[in-house]
Amino acid sequence: EVQLVESGGGLVQPGGSLRLSCAGSGFSLSTYWMTWVRQAPGKGLEWVASIKQDGSEKYYVDSVKGRFTISRDNAKNSLYLHMNSLRAEDTAVYYCARELKTVYYYYGMDVWGQGTTVTVSS
Amino acid sequence: EIVLTQSPATLSLSPGERATLSCRASQSVSSFLAWYQQKPGQAPRLLIYDASNRATGIPARFSGSGSGTDFTLTISSLEPEDFAVYYCQQRSNWPPTFGQGTNLEIK
Repeated sequence: EVQLVESGGGLVQPGGSLRLSCAGSGFSLSTYWMTWVRQAPGKGLEWVASIKQDGSEKYYVDSVKGRFTISRDNAKNSLYLHMNSLRAEDTAVYYCARELKTVYYYYGMDVWGQGTTVTVSS
Repeated sequence: EIVLTQSPATLSLSPGERATLSCRASQSVSSFLAWYQQKPGQAPRLLIYDASNRATGIPARFSGSGSGTDFTLTISSLEPEDFAVYYCQQRSNWPPTFGQGTNLEIK
């Protein structure tokens, strides 16, 4: 079965750090762009960061630049999100998703994890 | 940043009716647009990719159309399980962006 499973969420104080993990199974992560998307309580979806298949390109939403780092280990079929200097506004459910795009087509985020909850509060 | 504006914010319909959801981009995204369905407590599910292609396992009552700046998701005859929030998303330019969502509710 093709699936993604996130872990690493929890309660953290403002200014603290967390590392989220996303383990893939049933497929090879190395074929896909991988992306983190978050959803604050009662809000819509927000793209956070993406990383290219070989890790050579990384992109971030402005609000997390310099604080979050996306990385991947294709040998372990895993994706990570290192989050530092956390703020209350980072409180959200964080989803990882696989994504496929070519020059001519966009195949969407077709497999999502179940999400892991990050709560930033004192 | 490309802004996606979805309308209406809320759509109240009955099972069996036709639903038409709109997504307008602030600049052309070509066909690099996807639609997702999200139910409470669940992860989003891909419905449509590249503006008009149904994802694997998605029923034929779901269809997407449009290119450039104007896109439509149509559900031809609503089933009870279709009542949910729907998001469009573009992957033409960085950063990728989502619309604010349309809440499709039972009338």
